[in-house]
Amino acid sequence: QSVLTQPPSVSAAPGQKVTISCSGSSSNIGNNDVSWYQQLPGTAPKLLIYESSERPSGIPDRFSGSKSGTSATLGITGLQTGDEADYYCGTWDSSLTTVLFGGGTKLTVL
Amino acid sequence: EVHLVESGGGSVQRGGSLSLSCAASGFPFSNFWMTWVRQAPGRGLEWVANINQDGSGKYYADSMKGRFTISRDNAKNSVYLHMSSLRAEDTAVYYCARIGYKSCGLDYWGQGTLVTVSS
Repeated sequence: QSVLTQPPSVSAAPGQKVTISCSGSSSNIGNNDVSWYQQLPGTAPKLLIYESSERPSGIPDRFSGSKSGTSATLGITGLQTGDEADYYCGTWDSSLTTVLFGGGTKLTVL
Repeated sequence: EVHLVESGGGSVQRGGSLSLSCAASGFPFSNFWMTWVRQAPGRGLEWVANINQDGSGKYYADSMKGRFTISRDNAKNSVYLHMSSLRAEDTAVYYCARIGYKSCGLDYWGQGTLVTVSS
């Protein structure tokens, strides 16, 4: 069971918007930045969001991140079938001195 | 262009040892922390270990402490993971990644190398 809690799955229709939550505590999300990763089937994870809300170059602005208190959220608008993937949140835990990942959320674009 | 290429994966018997390598290129390797992350078949991501720029600082996940050792050679632009006392539950794809952002934001990942521990 992951310290960072994500919903196991979310789904939405093409063109719609979806949000994925990541819930933690004061020792991790509450006091550190959050990153989000996309893992397409059979590939390595790819950074989507860093420092809670920043997008690396090349990541479309359909992807957004936010953080409030001990929770973070990934938003994806204008859903495409190519967005079907597993999404993971990650951060540092200052008390455990470990890197944490959420359990992952499988996005299905219906 | 940043490239990370892992090697050294394969099959090993329970209780055995294996060393993984990750060759980096396209960036000033000695300026960055590096990490290993693994993913068991059909499971999520699990952090393994971090190492700082000069190798003097290392952090490990609890289940790997005492069994896994992370190291680096900045002259060879490489980071390593030596694994011993391997268990069936260590079977996974092992990824090396660059820590590019605060709070361990991993901006570049290798393609991964599969380690299979058999009994």
